[in-house]
Amino acid sequence: SQQGEEDPQALSIQEGENATMNCSYKTSINNLQWYRQNSGRGLVHLILIRSNEREKHSGRLRVTLDTSKKSSSLLITASRAAGTASYFCATVPNYGGATNKLIFGTGTLLAVQP
Amino acid sequence: DVKVTQSSRYLVKRTGEKVFLECVQDMDHENMFWYRQDPGLGLRLIYFSYDVKMKEKGDIPEGYSVSREKKERFSLILESASTNQTSMYLCASGPRGNQPQHFGDGTRLSIL
Repeated sequence: SQQGEEDPQALSIQEGENATMNCSYKTSINNLQWYRQNSGRGLVHLILIRSNEREKHSGRLRVTLDTSKKSSSLLITASRAAGTASYFCATVPNYGGATNKLIFGTGTLLAVQP
Repeated sequence: DVKVTQSSRYLVKRTGEKVFLECVQDMDHENMFWYRQDPGLGLRLIYFSYDVKMKEKGDIPEGYSVSREKKERFSLILESASTNQTSMYLCASGPRGNQPQHFGDGTRLSIL
């Protein structure tokens, strides 16, 4: 399977704390994306980092990418209870052409306690 | 905002039935995708389409087919539903190029 893996599978923190989740993947990539999924809903895109970038910020999100280790991390600072959700990384492999085919990780379930 | 609409949030069907799941997007995206999501397995790609009447198999196409007669609409068909197809089905669309995908809210399908 080409599927990526995420670590940890589940994470519980208090409101105001930071949350870090990691993603490992297997193929050479064009970019890596992070998505959030609230319970019973579809996925929402959070941030995209290209293979030639090492770090990217968006609001309270910080993403890093290490292509030599085929890994990425997502840091959410000052988490809020509304941030309780599953978080997925997804990679666009270099062989994907223009179809934007994504390979998803298995997800991290984040619980933010109020 | 991009809107991807799936025809049903919940659906219950019987084994052997032919099941149609419909998806419509309003952003003129070239690419459309069908995934299934199962606990512990993440999202797995069933089929995708990069243009009208064009389709390609994803990672788990067995037991499924698709139809894309119009750019905005992408249908997933379970030819003869089986209990192992009970799952959450997610549709997504995206523009050409390596851009993010936009997802519908999913259809939770139960096959009895």
